Amino acid sequence: SQQGEEDPQALSIQEGENATMNCSYKTSINNLQWYRQNSGRGLVHLILIRSNEREKHSGRLRVTLDTSKKSSSLLITASRAADTASYFCATVAGAGSYQLTFGKGTKLSVIP
Amino acid sequence: DTGVSQDPRHKITKRGQNVTFRCDPISEHNRLYWYRQTLGQGPEFLTYFQNEAQLEKSRLLSDRFSAERPKGSFSTLEIQRTEQGDSAMYLCASSSVQGGTQYFGPGTRLTVL
Repeated sequence: SQQGEEDPQALSIQEGENATMNCSYKTSINNLQWYRQNSGRGLVHLILIRSNEREKHSGRLRVTLDTSKKSSSLLITASRAADTASYFCATVAGAGSYQLTFGKGTKLSVIP
Repeated sequence: DTGVSQDPRHKITKRGQNVTFRCDPISEHNRLYWYRQTLGQGPEFLTYFQNEAQLEKSRLLSDRFSAERPKGSFSTLEIQRTEQGDSAMYLCASSSVQGGTQYFGPGTRLTVL
């Protein structure tokens, strides 16, 4: 079953703009991870944020986590055409379960 | 090291046939995962190995599905008596840390006619 729900389902922006994607989940987590998937390809890990962290940065990416609201956001700044992909959040429950539980993803299109 | 590899990349089979997929994880990773992804959906967990031990199995893994990791290195996923509903991308991932970052292979796309 899917745990996370990404919002929006699709997002279209101009190159250079910022893109924000949101993720909500249902149960308590050990950590939350964001992945990118280009069409028909495997997933690429972007960033992992632990349940005791509130914000993490990696290059043009900023991830926030609000465990009280069971939500996370991914911000991509100064977007590029190469950022066009589907973005998924995935949670790890911990406590003996280490599978990733994915949402349905946000399809981002960056127009040159 | 070149990352997680999967073979074959594409498989077309007729309903009722058996298929087997192979996954080679990153060499120092002792944890290996299988996921299935259908069009427009996120990946769904199938099963997890730590070394050669299969520690988690999803309810999605019906009796027709079996996975092995005999020597704690590569893994195989077999689907017996394939059905059209088995058509999907089968993804393998590996990690070195329990609950940490998982590194995904390119996937095997299965089409059942």
